[in-house]
Amino acid sequence: DAGVIQSPRHEVTEMGQEVTLRCKPISGHDYLFWYRQTMMRGLELLIYFNNNVPIDDSGMPEDRFSAKMPNASFSTLKIQPSEPRDSAVYFCASSKSKDRVSYNEQFFGPGTRLTVL
Amino acid sequence: LAKTTQPISMDSYEGQEVNITCSHNNIATNDYITWYQQFPSQGPRFIIQGYKTKVTNEVASLFIPADRKSSTLSLPRVSLSDTAVYYCLVDLYAGNMLTFGGGTRLMVKP
Repeated sequence: DAGVIQSPRHEVTEMGQEVTLRCKPISGHDYLFWYRQTMMRGLELLIYFNNNVPIDDSGMPEDRFSAKMPNASFSTLKIQPSEPRDSAVYFCASSKSKDRVSYNEQFFGPGTRLTVL
Repeated sequence: LAKTTQPISMDSYEGQEVNITCSHNNIATNDYITWYQQFPSQGPRFIIQGYKTKVTNEVASLFIPADRKSSTLSLPRVSLSDTAVYYCLVDLYAGNMLTFGGGTRLMVKP
């Protein structure tokens, strides 16, 4: 398996523009997570899905952020309009439902480095 | 969710054993202790998980005392490539959500 795939790897945009980040989870994984990482705030969980359904979006900073998972192999995180303080690395991760012997292991993608000017 | 406390940074030299201790005083009965590693410009990667006593894999060992209020990640004979941030997390075994703290920045020097 290719692992979690994210695109684009780098995004530079201007304040006010719409930004869409994409993620393809590992096949067979039923959990998908979006994180944001900055020097100031560390690694923050924004939202996660189970079987394509959003379970907890309490980490989404404000209404400018939205996330969708239209099917098991694709998710998007959209920021509209973007602001300079949204500059960060955004990670997508996926995992399988835990059974009696499995670890709670999340597999992270390479991240998207977003810069909003 | 149980809160974890770990040192902000540590320095070591190649070939030494490194022990990173994490405290989690309010760990719940069903919580497991999990460690992740993050290299610069990469996403975190699972290292090891345990519930009690000792767990060992090809990468590290995890020591958990009987009261489970702390845990120690042990990295044997570190190399320069072990320079990374190490996160200690406690998580409900039945759940899949993780809460990352600040982590410990390990610097391995030649």
